[in-house]
Amino acid sequence: GQSLEQPSEVTAVEGAIVQINCTYQTSGFYGLSWYQQHDGGAPTFLSYNALDGLEETGRFSSFLSRSDSYGYLLLQELQMKDSASYFCAGLNYGQNFVFGPGTRLSVLP
Amino acid sequence: EAQVTQNPRYLITVTGKKLTVTCSQNMNHEYMSWYRQDPGLGLRQIYYSMNVEVTDKGDVPEGYKVSRKEKRNFPLILESPSPNQTSLYFCASSLERGSSYEQYFGPGTRLTVT
Repeated sequence: GQSLEQPSEVTAVEGAIVQINCTYQTSGFYGLSWYQQHDGGAPTFLSYNALDGLEETGRFSSFLSRSDSYGYLLLQELQMKDSASYFCAGLNYGQNFVFGPGTRLSVLP
Repeated sequence: EAQVTQNPRYLITVTGKKLTVTCSQNMNHEYMSWYRQDPGLGLRQIYYSMNVEVTDKGDVPEGYKVSRKEKRNFPLILESPSPNQTSLYFCASSLERGSSYEQYFGPGTRLTVT
């Protein structure tokens, strides 16, 4: 089976850098993706890592280490609009997705 | 505009009354899936489909049915809803079994079963 763990909450100030970690236990795994969800909205795709290493997309970067069963999402130059919940998600070899419980990010002025 | 649509957006029903939540996408995606979202539990996959007439169970399929007769549509059926199925439901689609990992989500359906 597969399960993913994330911190429940993270708080940071505007302009700062924040890292949201995701650890997982899996029996088979293609890669790790990240989604953002604002209150009352639908999840939207941010990034994915099929291979180990860092992927950069604008202010957001994501990292994966398969050997450590660990990944993170890095948000730079935080803005108030980044306040949202962030989910890591894995696609296992059975082709079903498993999501983490989500991390609520609060950005303070 | 590329999008995933769901209907209805809100639904209040009673225990045992069959209901269907529709999902449609206009992006010609092969992969479609249904999730439920409950506080503290994240999104849990109910069923998924890799193409027409191909469906499979996710992590929480009990009490749900799906069908995939057309590529664009993937309805979720609750034959006999119960209060523990009160939740926020999302439909999502992506290219080719999630090969890009980028799933497009519908706006959500908030279901209350009394």
